[in-house]
Amino acid sequence: GAGVSQSPRYKVTKRGQDVALRCDPISGHVSLYWYRQALGQGPEFLTYFNYEAQQDKSGLPNDRFSAERPEGSISTLTIQRTEQRDSAMYRCASSATGASGAVFGPGTRLTVL
Amino acid sequence: QQQVKQSPQSLIVQKGGIPIINCAYENTAFDYFPWYQQFPGKGPALLIAIRPDVSEKKEGRFTISFNKSAKQFSLHIMDSQPGDSATYFCAASMNSGYSTLTFGKGTMLLVSP
Repeated sequence: GAGVSQSPRYKVTKRGQDVALRCDPISGHVSLYWYRQALGQGPEFLTYFNYEAQQDKSGLPNDRFSAERPEGSISTLTIQRTEQRDSAMYRCASSATGASGAVFGPGTRLTVL
Repeated sequence: QQQVKQSPQSLIVQKGGIPIINCAYENTAFDYFPWYQQFPGKGPALLIAIRPDVSEKKEGRFTISFNKSAKQFSLHIMDSQPGDSATYFCAASMNSGYSTLTFGKGTMLLVSP
Protein backbone atom coordinates (compact mmCIF):
# COMPACT_ATOMS: atom_id res chain seq x y z
CA GLY A 1 0.00 0.00 0.00
CA ALA A 2 0.93 3.64 -0.25
CA GLY A 3 1.00 4.41 3.45
CA VAL A 4 1.81 2.93 6.81
CA SER A 5 -0.80 0.43 7.93
CA GLN A 6 -1.50 -0.82 11.41
CA SER A 7 -3.63 -3.63 12.72
CA PRO A 8 -5.86 -4.05 14.45
CA ARG A 9 -7.28 -0.53 14.35
CA TYR A 10 -9.10 -1.14 17.63
CA LYS A 11 -8.28 -3.62 20.35
CA VAL A 12 -10.24 -4.16 23.55
CA THR A 13 -8.70 -6.55 26.02
CA LYS A 14 -9.03 -7.53 29.64
CA ARG A 15 -6.46 -6.62 32.22
CA GLY A 16 -3.72 -9.26 32.40
CA GLN A 17 -4.00 -10.38 28.78
CA ASP A 18 -1.15 -10.04 26.29
CA VAL A 19 -1.65 -8.03 23.09
CA ALA A 20 0.34 -7.77 19.86
CA LEU A 21 0.08 -4.71 17.67
CA ARG A 22 1.27 -4.86 14.09
CA CYS A 23 2.84 -2.21 11.89
CA ASP A 24 3.37 -2.56 8.16
CA PRO A 25 5.67 0.29 7.04
CA ILE A 26 5.96 1.90 3.65
CA SER A 27 7.91 -0.42 1.38
CA GLY A 28 11.61 0.38 1.41
CA HIS A 29 11.53 2.53 4.52
CA VAL A 30 14.58 1.74 6.63
CA SER A 31 13.47 3.29 9.91
CA LEU A 32 10.41 2.32 11.91
CA TYR A 33 9.19 4.10 15.03
CA TRP A 34 6.63 3.26 17.69
CA TYR A 35 4.91 6.07 19.60
CA ARG A 36 2.12 6.12 22.18
CA GLN A 37 -0.38 8.95 22.16
CA ALA A 38 -2.69 9.57 25.09
CA LEU A 39 -5.89 11.52 24.52
CA GLY A 40 -5.15 15.20 24.25
CA GLN A 41 -1.40 14.67 24.23
CA GLY A 42 1.37 14.56 21.68
CA PRO A 43 2.93 11.27 20.59
CA GLU A 44 5.45 9.88 23.07
CA PHE A 45 8.42 7.91 21.75
CA LEU A 46 8.64 4.23 22.64
CA THR A 47 11.25 2.58 20.41
CA TYR A 48 12.70 2.56 16.92
CA PHE A 49 14.43 0.28 14.43
CA ASN A 50 16.79 0.71 11.53
CA TYR A 51 16.24 -2.35 9.36
CA GLU A 52 15.87 -5.21 11.87
CA ALA A 53 18.08 -3.67 14.54
CA GLN A 54 16.41 -2.02 17.51
CA GLN A 55 18.36 1.23 17.86
CA ASP A 56 16.69 2.77 20.87
CA LYS A 57 14.19 1.32 23.32
CA SER A 58 14.58 3.94 26.00
CA GLY A 59 10.94 5.00 25.72
CA LEU A 60 9.45 1.61 26.55
CA PRO A 61 7.73 2.14 29.93
CA ASN A 62 8.75 -1.17 31.50
CA ASP A 63 9.70 -4.74 30.67
CA ARG A 64 6.11 -5.68 29.83
CA PHE A 65 6.64 -3.83 26.55
CA SER A 66 8.75 -5.27 23.76
CA ALA A 67 9.07 -4.83 20.02
CA GLU A 68 10.61 -6.68 17.14
CA ARG A 69 11.17 -6.27 13.43
CA PRO A 70 12.76 -9.60 12.49
CA GLU A 71 13.03 -9.13 8.72
CA GLY A 72 13.44 -5.40 8.63
CA SER A 73 9.90 -4.76 7.43
CA ILE A 74 6.81 -5.55 9.53
CA SER A 75 7.11 -4.79 13.23
CA THR A 76 5.18 -6.06 16.23
CA LEU A 77 4.78 -4.24 19.53
CA THR A 78 3.85 -6.66 22.30
CA ILE A 79 2.44 -5.71 25.67
CA GLN A 80 2.35 -8.49 28.23
CA ARG A 81 0.00 -8.63 31.22
CA THR A 82 -1.81 -5.48 30.13
CA GLU A 83 -2.90 -2.91 32.69
CA GLN A 84 -5.55 -0.21 32.44
CA ARG A 85 -2.86 2.47 32.26
CA ASP A 86 -1.69 0.91 28.96
CA SER A 87 -4.88 2.17 27.28
CA ALA A 88 -3.85 4.64 24.56
CA MET A 89 -3.43 5.10 20.83
CA TYR A 90 -0.31 3.30 19.63
CA ARG A 91 1.15 4.81 16.49
CA CYS A 92 3.76 3.50 14.13
CA ALA A 93 5.76 5.64 11.74
CA SER A 94 8.28 4.78 9.06
CA SER A 95 10.89 6.79 7.24
CA ALA A 96 13.53 6.51 4.57
CA THR A 97 15.47 9.47 5.99
CA GLY A 98 15.31 9.38 9.76
CA ALA A 99 12.70 10.89 12.05
CA SER A 100 12.47 14.03 9.95
CA GLY A 101 10.73 12.19 7.14
CA ALA A 102 8.53 9.98 9.28
CA VAL A 103 5.11 9.08 7.94
CA PHE A 104 2.64 8.07 10.61
CA GLY A 105 0.11 5.28 10.43
CA PRO A 106 -3.52 5.54 11.55
CA GLY A 107 -2.78 3.95 14.92
CA THR A 108 -4.21 1.14 17.03
CA ARG A 109 -6.58 2.24 19.77
CA LEU A 110 -5.96 -0.07 22.73
CA THR A 111 -8.48 -0.24 25.55
CA VAL A 112 -7.69 -2.35 28.59
CA LEU A 113 -10.73 -3.09 30.73
CA GLN B 1 10.54 16.84 32.37
CA GLN B 2 8.68 18.28 29.41
CA GLN B 3 11.30 19.07 26.82
CA VAL B 4 8.98 20.83 24.36
CA LYS B 5 6.30 23.15 25.75
CA GLN B 6 3.46 24.16 23.45
CA SER B 7 0.81 26.86 23.85
CA PRO B 8 -2.03 27.56 23.70
CA GLN B 9 -3.89 24.29 24.29
CA SER B 10 -6.74 25.47 22.09
CA LEU B 11 -7.40 28.37 19.76
CA ILE B 12 -10.43 29.72 17.94
CA VAL B 13 -10.07 32.21 15.09
CA GLN B 14 -12.37 33.50 12.40
CA LYS B 15 -11.81 32.63 8.77
CA GLY B 16 -9.05 34.83 7.38
CA GLY B 17 -7.42 35.31 10.77
CA ILE B 18 -3.80 34.43 11.59
CA PRO B 19 -3.56 31.86 14.37
CA ILE B 20 -0.16 31.68 16.08
CA ILE B 21 1.01 28.63 17.99
CA ASN B 22 4.11 28.81 20.13
CA CYS B 23 6.65 26.25 21.29
CA ALA B 24 9.65 26.45 23.58
CA TYR B 25 12.36 23.88 24.03
CA GLU B 26 15.03 23.26 26.63
CA ASN B 27 17.57 20.94 25.04
CA THR B 28 20.08 22.96 23.02
CA ALA B 29 21.08 19.78 21.17
CA PHE B 30 17.79 19.91 19.24
CA ASP B 31 18.48 20.95 15.66
CA TYR B 32 15.36 20.07 13.73
CA PHE B 33 11.92 21.50 14.45
CA PRO B 34 8.89 20.17 12.55
CA TRP B 35 5.21 20.93 12.85
CA TYR B 36 2.60 18.24 12.39
CA GLN B 37 -1.09 18.59 11.54
CA GLN B 38 -3.52 15.96 12.78
CA PHE B 39 -7.15 15.58 11.75
CA PRO B 40 -9.55 13.52 13.87
CA GLY B 41 -9.06 9.80 13.34
CA LYS B 42 -5.85 10.29 11.40
CA GLY B 43 -2.16 10.12 12.21
CA PRO B 44 -0.02 13.27 12.43
CA ALA B 45 1.19 14.52 9.05
CA LEU B 46 4.32 16.61 8.53
CA LEU B 47 3.36 20.17 7.66
CA ILE B 48 6.56 22.21 7.66
CA ALA B 49 9.94 22.05 9.37
CA ILE B 50 12.87 24.35 10.12
CA ARG B 51 16.53 23.99 11.06
CA PRO B 52 18.20 26.51 13.40
CA ASP B 53 20.38 28.11 10.74
CA VAL B 54 17.40 30.17 9.50
CA SER B 55 14.99 32.41 11.38
CA GLU B 56 11.94 31.91 9.17
CA LYS B 57 10.57 29.42 6.69
CA LYS B 58 7.45 29.82 4.62
CA GLU B 59 5.50 27.19 2.70
CA GLY B 60 2.27 28.41 1.21
CA ARG B 61 0.13 29.86 4.00
CA PHE B 62 2.25 28.29 6.76
CA THR B 63 5.25 30.08 8.27
CA ILE B 64 7.64 29.00 11.02
CA SER B 65 9.48 31.69 12.95
CA PHE B 66 12.52 30.53 14.90
CA ASN B 67 14.37 32.33 17.71
CA LYS B 68 17.48 30.35 18.61
CA SER B 69 18.59 32.56 21.50
CA ALA B 70 15.18 32.34 23.14
CA LYS B 71 14.83 28.65 22.27
CA GLN B 72 11.39 29.31 20.85
CA PHE B 73 9.63 28.70 17.57
CA SER B 74 6.14 29.39 16.33
CA LEU B 75 3.73 28.48 13.58
CA HIS B 76 1.68 31.15 11.81
CA ILE B 77 -1.19 30.27 9.48
CA MET B 78 -2.01 33.09 7.07
CA ASP B 79 -5.55 33.58 5.76
CA SER B 80 -6.79 30.64 7.84
CA GLN B 81 -9.62 28.53 6.46
CA PRO B 82 -12.17 26.22 8.12
CA GLY B 83 -10.27 23.29 6.54
CA ASP B 84 -7.26 24.22 8.69
CA SER B 85 -9.22 23.18 11.79
CA ALA B 86 -7.10 20.41 13.28
CA THR B 87 -4.69 19.68 16.11
CA TYR B 88 -1.19 20.99 15.55
CA PHE B 89 1.89 19.54 17.20
CA CYS B 90 5.35 21.03 17.35
CA ALA B 91 8.27 18.66 17.74
CA ALA B 92 12.04 18.67 18.05
CA SER B 93 14.78 16.26 17.14
CA MET B 94 18.57 15.96 17.29
CA ASN B 95 21.15 14.91 14.74
CA SER B 96 19.57 16.90 11.92
CA GLY B 97 16.31 15.02 12.29
CA TYR B 98 17.79 11.53 12.37
CA SER B 99 17.00 11.07 16.05
CA THR B 100 13.53 10.46 17.37
CA LEU B 101 10.98 13.22 17.72
CA THR B 102 9.95 14.84 21.00
CA PHE B 103 6.47 16.30 20.65
CA GLY B 104 4.62 19.13 22.35
CA LYS B 105 1.17 18.45 23.80
CA GLY B 106 -0.69 19.88 20.84
CA THR B 107 -2.96 22.83 20.04
CA MET B 108 -6.52 22.28 18.91
CA LEU B 109 -7.34 24.94 16.31
CA LEU B 110 -10.86 25.80 15.22
CA VAL B 111 -11.33 28.21 12.33
CA SER B 112 -14.91 29.44 12.24
CA PRO B 113 -16.57 30.22 8.88
